[in-house]
Amino acid sequence: KNEVEQSPQNLTAQEGEFITINCSYSVGISALHWLQQHPGGGIVSLFMLSSGKKKHGRLIATINIQEKHSSLHITASHPRDSAVYICAVRSEYGNKLVFGAGTILRVKS
Amino acid sequence: NAGVMQNPRHLVRRRGQEARLRCSPMKGHSHVYWYRQLPEEGLKFMVYLQKENIIDESGMPKERFSAEFPKEGPSILRIQQVVRGDSAAYFCASSPMTGMNTEAFFGQGTRLTVV
Repeated sequence: KNEVEQSPQNLTAQEGEFITINCSYSVGISALHWLQQHPGGGIVSLFMLSSGKKKHGRLIATINIQEKHSSLHITASHPRDSAVYICAVRSEYGNKLVFGAGTILRVKS
Repeated sequence: NAGVMQNPRHLVRRRGQEARLRCSPMKGHSHVYWYRQLPEEGLKFMVYLQKENIIDESGMPKERFSAEFPKEGPSILRIQQVVRGDSAAYFCASSPMTGMNTEAFFGQGTRLTVV
């Protein structure tokens, strides 16, 4: 079993829909990152969380440390949101990131 | 303030050749991480370096792969005698310090194709 599990693996939505991507992890962490990767592109950091909730524009990220679970929400989705969204955790004992397999999001107009 | 710079963006090598991937961290960053993304797979940690030191190379294959981060110049990931299975995207990330709440800044990646 992977240390970081994401769901769903693939997600297709209509423009304007509210989207949720989930991430569960099984290790103690010091921080959790949500990352975005466009096809053939680089990796962009969206959020870094160690507790609570953060909001940036139409993106919201939450984390529940007790339940070892995080969610990334996209409100009023748009085709330009189509990308791979990756959850990654930084272990409380180390510096490296451990990644989920990613969620492939496609938003149709 | 330029971000993390990786070059080349694309690299094609024949089997048996050497591949050298370079990563210049953000200004003021002294910690560099290399990650590999194999086709249709997630990102995996390879190696963590500080200036002139390898801190954690637990994700690095034991043979043919090496990494350095000299006092001057970029970090280099070197793959000797490349094989088809080395074809992947290699990403570098840098951070200013170690610790709990360290933001991660990624480069655009180097896409290595072994033919």
